[in-house]
Amino acid sequence: VQLVESGGGLVQPGGSLRLSCAASGFTFSSYWMSWVRQAPGKGLEWVANIKEDGSEKYYVDSVKGRFTISRDNAKNSLYLQMNSLRAEDTAVYYCARARMTSSWAPADYWGQGTLVTVSS
Amino acid sequence: DIQMTQSPSTLSASVGDRVTITCRASQSINTWLAWYQQKPGKAPNLLIYRASSLESGVPSRFSGSGSGTEFTLTISSLQPDDFATYYCQQYNTYYTFGQGTKLEIK
Repeated sequence: VQLVESGGGLVQPGGSLRLSCAASGFTFSSYWMSWVRQAPGKGLEWVANIKEDGSEKYYVDSVKGRFTISRDNAKNSLYLQMNSLRAEDTAVYYCARARMTSSWAPADYWGQGTLVTVSS
Repeated sequence: DIQMTQSPSTLSASVGDRVTITCRASQSINTWLAWYQQKPGKAPNLLIYRASSLESGVPSRFSGSGSGTEFTLTISSLQPDDFATYYCQQYNTYYTFGQGTKLEIK
């Protein structure tokens, strides 16, 4: 199992960024997937979840209306479109896989993370 | 929203010690609780799920207990590799993490 994030970088407040997570080594279309972030020196914060078929999506309140989680099961890829970025969105963003198929469950595999910095 | 509160925030201990970390939920989460270990610069590692089930490959010195609103993670005999930060996570309603407990060498 491998999860590889990409797309992070430096962006100005109010800007947009799209993160990607390439999955391999498992049947991607059978698992809920998540984005979890960690601000520098801080704890973990769940950002969003998406069901295996993309039919259900959930977000933490602080990103609702600004971030969109999506997936392309044909490409074994997870995405996070981030708009109207704020300084407080600065963090390492991890993609993660639920530990059981077709289940809302804790994450057993994580990517290495991609750093998003929102600053002028 | 469900809030998760861990205690203590920092714990100093020695190799061989038995240590316990507590996690409290702001409302009942049954046993929908997980524990993670995280080392600096690394992604979290799942230790325990469903409050007391040991994830595959995790040493048996780690154990979890509790239900409802009170949970504990116990390390029976600390090893050098265990000094890290530990997080609880509820998955009863969305996900919420505790603020973390840093386990330091005394």
